[in-house]
Amino acid sequence: ETGVTQTPRHLVMGMTNKKSLKCEQHLGHNAMYWYKQSAKKPLELMFVYNFKEQTENNSVPSRFSPECPNSSHLFLHLHTLQPEDSALYLCASSQASQRGPYNEQFFGPGTRLTVL
Amino acid sequence: AQSVTQPDIHITVSEGASLELRCNYSYGATPYLFWYVQSPGQGLQLLLKYFSGDTLVQGIKGFEAEFKRSQSSFNLRKPSVHWSDAAEYFCAVLGSNYKLTFGKGTLLTVNP
Repeated sequence: ETGVTQTPRHLVMGMTNKKSLKCEQHLGHNAMYWYKQSAKKPLELMFVYNFKEQTENNSVPSRFSPECPNSSHLFLHLHTLQPEDSALYLCASSQASQRGPYNEQFFGPGTRLTVL
Repeated sequence: AQSVTQPDIHITVSEGASLELRCNYSYGATPYLFWYVQSPGQGLQLLLKYFSGDTLVQGIKGFEAEFKRSQSSFNLRKPSVHWSDAAEYFCAVLGSNYKLTFGKGTLLTVNP
């Protein structure tokens, strides 16, 4: 595997289900990100992990719970979602340095989530 | 807070024609700018980036972009468009705290 991978690619869940999205990066990066892409809205940054520590939570509802067990893996745990949470969820990674986050982010293919 | 404006929601060009996609940004410090492309059902692929130095940057697939500080712009260009370039294009600015702020995107349609 190369680059950033995401599983599953498609997910349909009911509002009472609990599911998890997985992201893995094979680039040796130390920062990972979750984004939400909804129709007709700009890409929204949800969470940032830098060296496994969460450094950003962009006012995301608690029904989304991220987990970063190591610098290569990132999860997004989902529970009691709403239909408006249906979207493409994209994971990205980058190489952050002491100077700051001045490097490009590499994206995975995304998970298309549908909440019924 | 930083922001990005892509004024054109949808652009249609003929194959072989030249292309320019507009991007304007707002950011208080030196901007770090990117163009990404997204094909249907896919993630984002980086086309090119500007961090510093030469204001005309070359990217993959024959794309280039020019940073103009006076106009707060970072427009994407390609001299001759191919049918495979049909996709959605996103301009982004990287600010503090690792925040990459995207524009709303420009959908490119290429006519044969």
